[in-house]
Amino acid sequence: QKEVEQNSGPLSVPEGAIASLNCTYSDRGSQSFFWYRQYSGKSPELIMSIYSNGDKEDGRFTAQLNKASQYVSLLIRDSQPSDSATYLCAAEAGGFKTIFGAGTRLFVKA
Amino acid sequence: DAMVIQNPRYQVTQFGKPVTLSCSQTLNHNVMYWYQQKSSQAPKLLFHYYDKDFNNEADTPDNFQSRRPNTSFCFLDIRSPGLGDAAMYLCATSRPSSGNQPQHFGDGTRLSIL
Repeated sequence: QKEVEQNSGPLSVPEGAIASLNCTYSDRGSQSFFWYRQYSGKSPELIMSIYSNGDKEDGRFTAQLNKASQYVSLLIRDSQPSDSATYLCAAEAGGFKTIFGAGTRLFVKA
Repeated sequence: DAMVIQNPRYQVTQFGKPVTLSCSQTLNHNVMYWYQQKSSQAPKLLFHYYDKDFNNEADTPDNFQSRRPNTSFCFLDIRSPGLGDAAMYLCATSRPSSGNQPQHFGDGTRLSIL
């Protein structure tokens, strides 16, 4: 059974701080990884894709991938109250499918 | 703007009364997906289409069916909804080129069962 594991949170950080979100995945064959943001009652919205080991930066967001450790993380710098949401980690599962984690709830305090 | 559109946004049906949810896309993506998501849970894949090629997940209940009459449209039919089928239903699309590409989601349909 392919799985993506995340701490459910909530993770609470003050405004302006760095939020660090982590996930692990079980399928060593996964090559593509994604972070989605999901506001309450809304659908997931893609934030970052990462395919290679190392860091990938996009604005305030940095995704990190370590395939040897089967570990993916997302850093959010200068966190804003509008970043408060659930962040879903997802991993390619073969056959055009993606396995999602249950998400980590982030709360940014103003 | 190219989009994934789900209708309706909210659907209320009675226990056992068939219901159909619809999804359309203007992205011209080959692959369309239906997910069920319950509160605080991961989206659960029900089925996906690669063009007309239908793929059913092994644990998708027989109560759930899908149709994709053309590239742009996909439907989810729930033949006899039970209380446990109350959830958010998400449609997504992707266009695999080299490897797995991210999925683009519609706004979802929240289904309630009376």
